[in-house]
Amino acid sequence: EAGVAQSPRYKIIEKRQSVAFWCNPISGHATLYWYQQILGQGPKLLIQFQNNGVVDDSQLPKDRFSAERLKGVDSTLKIQPAKLEDSAVYLCASSLERYSGNTIYFGEGSWLTVV
Amino acid sequence: DAKTTQPPSMDCAEGRAANLPCNHSTISGNEYVYWYRQIHSQGPQYIIHGLKNNETNEMASLIITEDRKSSTLILPHATLRDTAVYYCIVRGTYKYIFGTGTRLKVLA
Repeated sequence: EAGVAQSPRYKIIEKRQSVAFWCNPISGHATLYWYQQILGQGPKLLIQFQNNGVVDDSQLPKDRFSAERLKGVDSTLKIQPAKLEDSAVYLCASSLERYSGNTIYFGEGSWLTVV
Repeated sequence: DAKTTQPPSMDCAEGRAANLPCNHSTISGNEYVYWYRQIHSQGPQYIIHGLKNNETNEMASLIITEDRKSSTLILPHATLRDTAVYYCIVRGTYKYIFGTGTRLKVLA
């Protein structure tokens, strides 16, 4: 079974530029998550989708971050304009459903460096 | 959501059992305990999860105390490739909250 796919794997941009990350979850998984992981810290949830609807985006900096999951499958996370403090790994994850007994599986992450 | 407390680091000799503790004293009745590990530059890898009973799979064993306020992840025969950061997470209200985890170093 294919895992969670993410691209690009690495990205270096200058501050104030924009960047987009793509995620393809495990087939059949209704719930999709985007996490931000800053070096030395645990992952922090940015946004959670159930099918193509947003369930939780309370930690998403909405002035610069946006995410969509238009057809309930693939998702894109965008940052515009980027700041130095956005340098982090952006992890996409998915689970069959939202409930606590459903395991969340993570992709390898997209590494962002803002210079 | 319930929070977890883990020691920041641990060492283990190769071939010995690694026992990683986790406290989750505010866990609710329907919240599961999950364990993940993260090797540098990779995404978190699922290891095991449980609700009340002890669980075992090909990677590890999970021991949950009767009051569910703490748990222990056991890697029965640690290898150098088990060196990683291990996260204990209580899954509640449909999302995970990660702490800073335990950095396990397996020594040759």
